[in-house]
Amino acid sequence: EDQVTQSPEALRLQEGESSSLNCSYTVSGLRGLFWYRQDPGKGPEFLFTLYSAGEEKEKERLKATLTKKESFLHITAPKPEDSATYLCAVQMYSSASKIIFGSGTRLSIRP
Amino acid sequence: DTGVSQDPRHKITKRGQNVTFRCDPISEHNRLYWYRQTLGQGPEFLTYFQNEAQLEKSRLLSDRFSAERPKGSFSTLEIQRTEQGDSAMYLCASSLETGKETQYFGPGTRLLVL
Repeated sequence: EDQVTQSPEALRLQEGESSSLNCSYTVSGLRGLFWYRQDPGKGPEFLFTLYSAGEEKEKERLKATLTKKESFLHITAPKPEDSATYLCAVQMYSSASKIIFGSGTRLSIRP
Repeated sequence: DTGVSQDPRHKITKRGQNVTFRCDPISEHNRLYWYRQTLGQGPEFLTYFQNEAQLEKSRLLSDRFSAERPKGSFSTLEIQRTEQGDSAMYLCASSLETGKETQYFGPGTRLLVL
């Protein structure tokens, strides 16, 4: 069964304390992996798409990486405004129309 | 702002009533998706349109749910005879068919069934 698992469920960091969020997946034929940010009461906001193992994407304090079994979202020197839920999602070749989401990591950055 | 828009943003209804939500996608996007999200979970796929054709429906979409996309522009999602278990955030997303398209989400409609 196609599955996406994110860890940890919640993460509390001090401002400036770097860390990584994990997204592991078991799917048949990965077409793409997506990272989204979601603030409370709002829709997911697109961050990155990764297509092949070894690929990396960066945006401000965030960097996403991809291997054959998992993806990491690295957060460098986070600020309180980085607090949000980060969602990972995968798209398969078998059903390119939909994406399967993980349950997310709730990230809280203390000033 | 030319992003995905949804209306209403919030809806409170009584059990047994019918509700309808609207989604306006990004103007040049030909694919439109509906998802449902409950507290603490990621969005779950409900259905998908390419232009005006509904091409895929999830097993989550019971007979009480119906979605349309007339003329391949905006879409509506109707829930008939609402149940308390229908309480959730309903999200709409759109994408441009390119082979490696990214889905962009709207702000969602939060439904509470009393």
